[in-house]
Amino acid sequence: DAKTTQPPSMDCAEGRAANLPCNHSTISGNEYVYWYRQIHSQGPQYIIHGLKNNETNEMASLIITEDKKSSTLILPHATLRDTAVYYCIAPTSLNAGGTSYGKLTFGQGTILTVHP
Amino acid sequence: NAGVTQTPKFRILKIGQSMTLQCTQDMNHNYMYWYRQDPGMGLKLIYYSVGAGITDKGEVPNGYNVSRSTTEDFPLRLELAAPSQTSVYFCASSYSGIEQYFGPGTRLTVT
Repeated sequence: DAKTTQPPSMDCAEGRAANLPCNHSTISGNEYVYWYRQIHSQGPQYIIHGLKNNETNEMASLIITEDKKSSTLILPHATLRDTAVYYCIAPTSLNAGGTSYGKLTFGQGTILTVHP
Repeated sequence: NAGVTQTPKFRILKIGQSMTLQCTQDMNHNYMYWYRQDPGMGLKLIYYSVGAGITDKGEVPNGYNVSRSTTEDFPLRLELAAPSQTSVYFCASSYSGIEQYFGPGTRLTVT
């Protein structure tokens, strides 16, 4: 997997946008970036993924730089329930189509604390 | 849909004992995975399967075995339990390998 680097912890005020950065300078052109989060003691939850274009879904937005060396996960209006560990993952592509068979490597992630 | 279910929720094993962690999904997903998570650490992939009858090793397979005889079930077998296998075990499934759905986990202590 491409090495990913995330800050160990971040704080955010409730109602404000949370911007979580991730560096993945060794990622290849056909490899995806995935974001998951893990709320205390629960199994991880998929948030979003992208290849090179910006992506948005009902949970978050993902901004990937043009050179693909970094990305930012944006939670537009953070709530207390968004307090969790956020993982940025860039699994190794096993073929030209970018398939990794879901072999994910979870690093230490970023502990996001949303406070009132 | 129940999603991904795991049993048991908690278990204490003595060194050298064996056990099977059960995982079942009702979403007809082809891909299934077993991870372990040690305290304060990220998840590590133990084994995965891309369909019934097909399994492969992940990052930390030693001390574990798996089988996949049906689409729904993916049991994880621990033989000769060791204290180093004390961990939380998560099972997950996926339709395409992209969005994985995780179970609630099994907390295992080996003493």
